[in-house]
Amino acid sequence: NAGVMQNPRHLVRRRGQEARLRCSPMKGHSHVYWYRQLPEEGLKFMVYLQKENIIDESGMPKERFSAEFPKEGPSILRIQQVVRGDSAAYFCASRTSGGSDTQYFGPGTRLTVL
Amino acid sequence: EDKVVQSPLSLVVHEGDTVTLNCSYEVTNFRSLLWYKQEKKAPTFLFMLTSSGIEKKSGRLSSILDKKELFSILNITATQTGDSAIYLCAVVEETSGSRLTFGEGTQLTVNP
Repeated sequence: NAGVMQNPRHLVRRRGQEARLRCSPMKGHSHVYWYRQLPEEGLKFMVYLQKENIIDESGMPKERFSAEFPKEGPSILRIQQVVRGDSAAYFCASRTSGGSDTQYFGPGTRLTVL
Repeated sequence: EDKVVQSPLSLVVHEGDTVTLNCSYEVTNFRSLLWYKQEKKAPTFLFMLTSSGIEKKSGRLSSILDKKELFSILNITATQTGDSAIYLCAVVEETSGSRLTFGEGTQLTVNP
């Protein structure tokens, strides 16, 4: 009865490298959301995906950030050419296809850019 | 743009005290309000409220929504040190696909 899984839990990258963050939703959940929590700030929505579709990417920075949720495998949040300002905790959440808005969160990936 | 404001931003109490956390919101087409508890890890779900005036309760925690005045409160009675956490309030707008818009959170510290 696993919850939302994220890996890695901690990721260190140097400026200019790529970061790939993975999220496996709860069993039976087909809706995935990514949120970012900058130091001393609240959680901010980034992107909403269903299998093979990006539904809402209004919170994603226009450059360097991309997300996918393939038919098989976890959802991936990819950050190219990372900069110091990308250092944050990235949380994934999932929910069922029923009428509830309740999202269940993973433990997060803490990205540090040196 | 949807807006969620929580108060106070931080609160320090002693074990056994009762606390009330506030969340006010501005949403074009409100659908639901959710409360989460965040310790040093994932936010954990507490309550979802959609109807005015109906109290949700779980143990020492309870919450109520006022859709007319656009706010919700989260009450914690007989606080314990394990209640120390950041409490997050989030709203969902009708056409947002269940996207959560969060407030900044209330940092609650319960001292023994």
